[in-house]
Amino acid sequence: QVQLVQSGAEVKKPGASVKVSCKASGYIFTSYAIHWVRQAPGQRREWLGWIIPSNGNTKYSQRFKGRVTFTRDTSASTTYMELSSLRSEDTAIYYCARVTVDVTAIFFDFWGQGTLVTVSS
Amino acid sequence: QTVVTQEPSFSVSPGGTVTLTCGLNPGSVSTNYYPTWYQQTPGQAPRTLIYSTNSRSSGVPDRFSGSILGNKAALTITGAQADDESEYFCVLYMGAFWVFGGGTNLTVL
Repeated sequence: QVQLVQSGAEVKKPGASVKVSCKASGYIFTSYAIHWVRQAPGQRREWLGWIIPSNGNTKYSQRFKGRVTFTRDTSASTTYMELSSLRSEDTAIYYCARVTVDVTAIFFDFWGQGTLVTVSS
Repeated sequence: QTVVTQEPSFSVSPGGTVTLTCGLNPGSVSTNYYPTWYQQTPGQAPRTLIYSTNSRSSGVPDRFSGSILGNKAALTITGAQADDESEYFCVLYMGAFWVFGGGTNLTVL
């Protein structure tokens, strides 16, 4: 069965960087884009962008451009989200999600369990 | 700025029917936005219920249905059960990015 398993919770100081991993299993890793979404406490969910595992192409939300980087390791079926210059407002649960695209549909079909990133001095 | 609107909370009696909506400000929701509905309980990954407006995801009971009502996407739960008590959120595909609703906390009592 399809699974996305994320790395564990992180606590970082303001100004630091954090790198979250998302390991895929149960499907062909290079066949589906992986997106990243976050939800800060009391806020709505926000889309951060995507990476295409087959070629490493990325697209970032304008709001996070320059601060977020997606990478992947195809040998490990794992994608990574790195967020730099952390501030307290980046405290959130970060999710990876697989997107399915066909003629009649485009949607996040499977999600990781989420990774809590806490930014605190 | 595009904002997706949802009712913050809703209540339904066991066995009852409830319709949650997903609007777009400014504008109207259409099938072109491929509205998708998710259910999420605290500490769990979101579960896909409905995609492309009205297609039920694998394993989702047929008491969950999706539609367009007026200028909004809608999720209807018929015959609500206690374990339907959860957060429901919608997502719209805007062509180059995705926008999320604020979520609806559904209480079954």
